[in-house]
Amino acid sequence: QKEVEQDPGPLSVPEGAIVSLNCTYSNSAFQYFMWYRQYSRKGPELLMYTYSSGNKEDGRFTAQVDKSSKYISLFIRDSQPSDSATYLCAMSAEVRRALTFGSGTRLQVQP
Amino acid sequence: KAGVTQTPRYLIKTRGQQVTLSCSPISGHRSVSWYQQTPGQGLQFLFEYFSETQRNKGNFPGRFSGRQFSNSRSEMNVSTLELGDSALYLCASSYSYEQFFGPGTRLTVL
Repeated sequence: QKEVEQDPGPLSVPEGAIVSLNCTYSNSAFQYFMWYRQYSRKGPELLMYTYSSGNKEDGRFTAQVDKSSKYISLFIRDSQPSDSATYLCAMSAEVRRALTFGSGTRLQVQP
Repeated sequence: KAGVTQTPRYLIKTRGQQVTLSCSPISGHRSVSWYQQTPGQGLQFLFEYFSETQRNKGNFPGRFSGRQFSNSRSEMNVSTLELGDSALYLCASSYSYEQFFGPGTRLTVL
């Protein structure tokens, strides 16, 4: 079993929909949680960063971390075709240390 | 500020050969990490360098090695290439918690 599990999708939604992306993990030492977006043939781009449990909002994006359930989520409001990409969750036990990634969820927002 | 640059962007090698990939981090970033991305295994951590010292190493065979120079530029080397080494190799630099990724080097082993 992988340390971080993420549904690979693909997830197809209409423009304007609310998108929910999720990851579960097994390592209770993880404290730093990130969401990256990766467009085809590009490197991952950091979207959201959260330390420990709680919520964080940035524009149309909201990240939630529930350490008691070992579950993290990314919500995208008013989704746009430009949001079509692969979304990767990542986490680490220490800051600036090795990241453990989920397998990524491919999202397609239909205009 | 210029982003992370990786060279070359594409590479084709044959089994048994060796390859060296290069990464130039963002100016001022002293930490450089390397990851391998494949469709089957996803993104996996290879190693991390800080101030020319390897601080952390992932679960890869000794054929994978790296180094960092005094200007923070980093190289990774893969010797005795195998078909399974075909992947996108990503470099990330960081100053604090955020890791900035380069576009990657796509290596194809024939």
